[in-house]
Amino acid sequence: DGGITQSPKYLFRKEGQNVTLSCEQNLNHDAMYWYRQDPGQGLRLIYYSQIVNDFQKGDIAEGYSVSREKKESFPLTVTSAQKNPTAFYLCASGEGDAETQYFGPGTRLLVL
Amino acid sequence: GQNIDQPTEMTATEGAIVQINCTYQTSGFNGLFWYQQHAGEAPTFLSYNVLDGLEEKGRFSSFLSRSKGYSYLLLKELQMKDSASYLCAVRDSNYQLIWGAGTKLIIKP
Repeated sequence: DGGITQSPKYLFRKEGQNVTLSCEQNLNHDAMYWYRQDPGQGLRLIYYSQIVNDFQKGDIAEGYSVSREKKESFPLTVTSAQKNPTAFYLCASGEGDAETQYFGPGTRLLVL
Repeated sequence: GQNIDQPTEMTATEGAIVQINCTYQTSGFNGLFWYQQHAGEAPTFLSYNVLDGLEEKGRFSSFLSRSKGYSYLLLKELQMKDSASYLCAVRDSNYQLIWGAGTKLIIKP
């Protein structure tokens, strides 16, 4: 079955800790995206990548980092510099920037 | 700035028809998307409009007027499982998606 997977489903972060959210796709999509969803707001773009070994900042990249070493994988690290990390994080992929984006099941990050 | 407006919440009756509106002001336009999102789950793709007019897909239809910066999603023969949030998103001139906050649709028996 082709699709996008994210893990874990829930993640708890302690003060000063970096945490990494996993995103894997087997759809052979070139483009991958990370969004953050907060109650009452639209999805906000954190980072995106159109090709392996290249990525660009989105609207709210501060306090986050990514890598794209393989076409299938686009992990997101939430660093200690992100002061308000509690949110629902969604990873998406598409064949290109002009194509439909498809979403993984999401990771809910909570701060202890 | 770029802006997508949708009603926050709507209520409809099982078996009825409901129209969810979306108005947008963006830097350029390269298509409009509608997604469905059940609580705690990921958005799933419903429809895509890039030219003016109506796109029909089963019980769901989506309409676009580029000159008015306006779209609507029409849901017919409502079922309880249609209770969800409906997200409108516009692709701008940089091919980035600008998202509305979503419309929570409540279906009553």
